[in-house]
Amino acid sequence: KNQVEQSPQSLIILEGKNCTLQCNYTVSPFSNLRWYKQDTGRGPVSLTIMTFSENTKSNGRYTATLDADTKQSSLHITASQLSDSASYICVVSAWGSQGNLIFGKGTKLSVKP
Amino acid sequence: EPEVTQTPSHQVTQMGQEVILRCVPISNHLYFYWYRQILGQKVEFLVSFYNNEISEKSEIFDDQFSVERPDGSNFTLKIRSTKLEDSAMYFCASNRGNTEAFFGQGTRLTVV
Repeated sequence: KNQVEQSPQSLIILEGKNCTLQCNYTVSPFSNLRWYKQDTGRGPVSLTIMTFSENTKSNGRYTATLDADTKQSSLHITASQLSDSASYICVVSAWGSQGNLIFGKGTKLSVKP
Repeated sequence: EPEVTQTPSHQVTQMGQEVILRCVPISNHLYFYWYRQILGQKVEFLVSFYNNEISEKSEIFDDQFSVERPDGSNFTLKIRSTKLEDSAMYFCASNRGNTEAFFGQGTRLTVV
């Protein structure tokens, strides 16, 4: 069964600190992996999208990595800001399935001053 | 910056009533989607729509659900006879292909 698991479930860090969020997936055949940021009560906003051949991608202070062999991804946030407080969702797409994105439950990040 | 817009932002309806959730995807996108997120749970895929027909749907998308693109800009999700368990946030999304999907801000549906 196609699944996406994320850890930790929640995380509290101090402003200015770095953090890394983890994602493991069992989606086959793999097409791409995305990280989204979702503020409470809002729609998800795309941060990065990576295909099989990409193993790292950056978007400002966000850096995503992908190991397609171990089926793991991480999202690293550098120099966190209060506005980074949100849920970060790992989403995997299977090849041949255009919109049936498999969502993880997300990691709820709280950045404290 | 182009965005996906959804209306209404919040809809309250009585059990058994029909509801229509509306979405205006980004204008040059070709693929349209509906997802739902029950409070506290993960986002779930409902249906994808391309070339004026459903291209894929999940088990959740049963006969009570339907989608339509009535004109060149709107994309709607209809729930024929709402149940309490249909209460959720419904997100519309669109993209041009196997690229990042842009999500709307969602419609919070509350069935009472």
